[in-house]
Amino acid sequence: KAGVTQTPRYLIKTRGQQVTLSCSPISGHRSVSWYQQTPGQGLQFLFEYFSETQRNKGNFPGRFSGRQFSNSRSEMNVSTLELGDSALYLCASSLNGVGTGELFFGEGSRLTVL
Amino acid sequence: TQLLEQSPQFLSIQEGENLTVYCNSSSVFSSLQWYRQEPGEGPVLLVTVVTGGEVKKLKRLTFQFGDARKDSSLHITAAQPGDTGLYLCAGAPTGSRLTFGEGTQLTVNP
Repeated sequence: KAGVTQTPRYLIKTRGQQVTLSCSPISGHRSVSWYQQTPGQGLQFLFEYFSETQRNKGNFPGRFSGRQFSNSRSEMNVSTLELGDSALYLCASSLNGVGTGELFFGEGSRLTVL
Repeated sequence: TQLLEQSPQFLSIQEGENLTVYCNSSSVFSSLQWYRQEPGEGPVLLVTVVTGGEVKKLKRLTFQFGDARKDSSLHITAAQPGDTGLYLCAGAPTGSRLTFGEGTQLTVNP
């Protein structure tokens, strides 16, 4: 079956702009979670959506937001970009939610903020 | 402070050598997972350990969960260049959400 698809794979933005990243989970998976990966901090949890509802949120400012659609596809948005937002953003899908079993990750969207 | 501390952070070895990486915490976990992430890709699950003292083998990889379920180790025998990648442990302490360690970046030189 098709894996987790993230778009775009690479993008460059400037400070103050906003960005929207998309994630299509594995068919049948209702949970999508988002992570920020940087060399110094590892994988940091952003939020999890399950059946269109945000189920959990990490310690990130309100500039980071997300949503999930009825087909389980998810988007995350970062507004007023800062240099420190440069990172690899990973999404993961799972059948029943984070912590209940295997997470299937996409290849990530690499964001560079200039 | 990371809930899961991984060591070493970086490891560069020659093909054929053995190695062990560690994942430690002061918290008790109901289970721990190990993922491997290769360049340009997302992490892929290698194993989940559930029972204290459990040992699982995946070809040349041996995973162990500590008796007290606070730590885990990954041992690779006769490492190969294809083992190169970032090894991440992940777990959820009771009542808390899943968290990842910072990872061990392994490079196996031919």
